[in-house]
Amino acid sequence: GEDVEQSLFLSVREGDSSVINCTYTDSSSTYLYWYKQEPGAGLQLLTYIFSNMDMKQDQRLTVLLNKKDKHLSLRIADTQTGDSAIYFCAESMVRGSTLGRLYFGRGTQLTVWP
Amino acid sequence: GAVVSQHPSRVICKSGTSVKIECRSLDFQATTMFWYRQFPKQSLMLMATSNEGSKATYEQGVEKDKFLINHASLTLSTLTVTSAHPEDSSFYICSAGTGVLTTDEKLFFGSGTQLSVL
Repeated sequence: GEDVEQSLFLSVREGDSSVINCTYTDSSSTYLYWYKQEPGAGLQLLTYIFSNMDMKQDQRLTVLLNKKDKHLSLRIADTQTGDSAIYFCAESMVRGSTLGRLYFGRGTQLTVWP
Repeated sequence: GAVVSQHPSRVICKSGTSVKIECRSLDFQATTMFWYRQFPKQSLMLMATSNEGSKATYEQGVEKDKFLINHASLTLSTLTVTSAHPEDSSFYICSAGTGVLTTDEKLFFGSGTQLSVL
């Protein structure tokens, strides 16, 4: 299957860490992505991880991948009000002509309170 | 980083008219472009995949005659919503890829087009 599941809402206080979780079903996923979408805007790639990696850190962002459980998480350290947005988890698979096709979760609305 | 430009960002049209949305890759050659549709508070649903110089591949349930896709060059793909109706109102987003799987494989997204059909 190609289902990607995310919780819909997350609220945190400014300065705390945020952890957004995602589960996927297809074990043949090659890349897993986190995108950010602000109101009325397109998608901004935050980070991505190749399926043979367990962890990737990029400044305030830490991605953890548990392939056995098909679980992906995004941790945002020192969350700021500007981080308030919808965060999408997505997976891609390589199957012939479907190279580059992404399957998205429904998105997690992150609200950061001052 | 690579940039994908999508235009217009917002369009309002009357029912029955056609609307064209452009997606350009500004600093790389996009052999493959994807068109997604996003309903409010929903995920992005792939509508079609277009490869330069060939016909687009549409997802199940997407009307080919309704959503015309043209990928005439390596930097430009267009989506035309023909005879638009209110139910076509949505947020449309394009993405572009290089078509080559590398360790840096990623897609670049346009900023989206909010279509409102009156």
